[in-house]
Amino acid sequence: ETGVTQTPRHLVMGMTNKKSLKCEQHLGHNAMYWYKQSAKKPLELMFVYNFKEQTENNSVPSRFSPECPNSSHLFLHLHTLQPEDSALYLCASSQVSGHIYEQYFGPGTRLTVT
Amino acid sequence: AQSVTQLGSHVSVSEGALVLLRCNYSSSVPPYLFWYVQYPNQGLQLLLKYTTGATLVKGINGFEAEFKKSETSFHLTKPSAHMSDAAEYFCAVSDANGNKLVFGAGTILRVKS
Repeated sequence: ETGVTQTPRHLVMGMTNKKSLKCEQHLGHNAMYWYKQSAKKPLELMFVYNFKEQTENNSVPSRFSPECPNSSHLFLHLHTLQPEDSALYLCASSQVSGHIYEQYFGPGTRLTVT
Repeated sequence: AQSVTQLGSHVSVSEGALVLLRCNYSSSVPPYLFWYVQYPNQGLQLLLKYTTGATLVKGINGFEAEFKKSETSFHLTKPSAHMSDAAEYFCAVSDANGNKLVFGAGTILRVKS
């Protein structure tokens, strides 16, 4: 699946580091999403962007900072993370225009916080 | 608010047997429903979707699901399991505003040889 790409695929960072996750969609969609997937927990929606505007922030701690410079790119900036932030971070995109359409997911970034 | 319940966090079937993964939803508006599959260390891949029209929906890899409004269900089936079907499956429903999907907790399918 090359419609939605994510880099890096794996990331190990210390609690004092600053890093960024990148997502790019090649599908011409107008909405992008960040999800957190932890072991034994349901998929958690973190942020939603429609037409580059953030429309949802699900009470995500400020140590996670999203950025959406255009409809094709989405970043998640990370700083002073905690070990419990270790998870698979998934990016998705969809076309939203009055109706909900399916979301297409990237392969994810496996984040380990040490 | 929309919600999804997947009955059974783990399902085990023999190769060649019927696969049945259960999904019940709650929605305040006519729902759009989805099934996704996730293989280890990968993202979610869309299997099939129901929006409007025919209530029996066919998807990829031989899977299908039937929308039953009276039962608020959208169960996923496959007549004959294959080893390659072993994965985690997620049911999802669109929210009332149509801006996002609400996912179930997932069902891990194990296929025994």
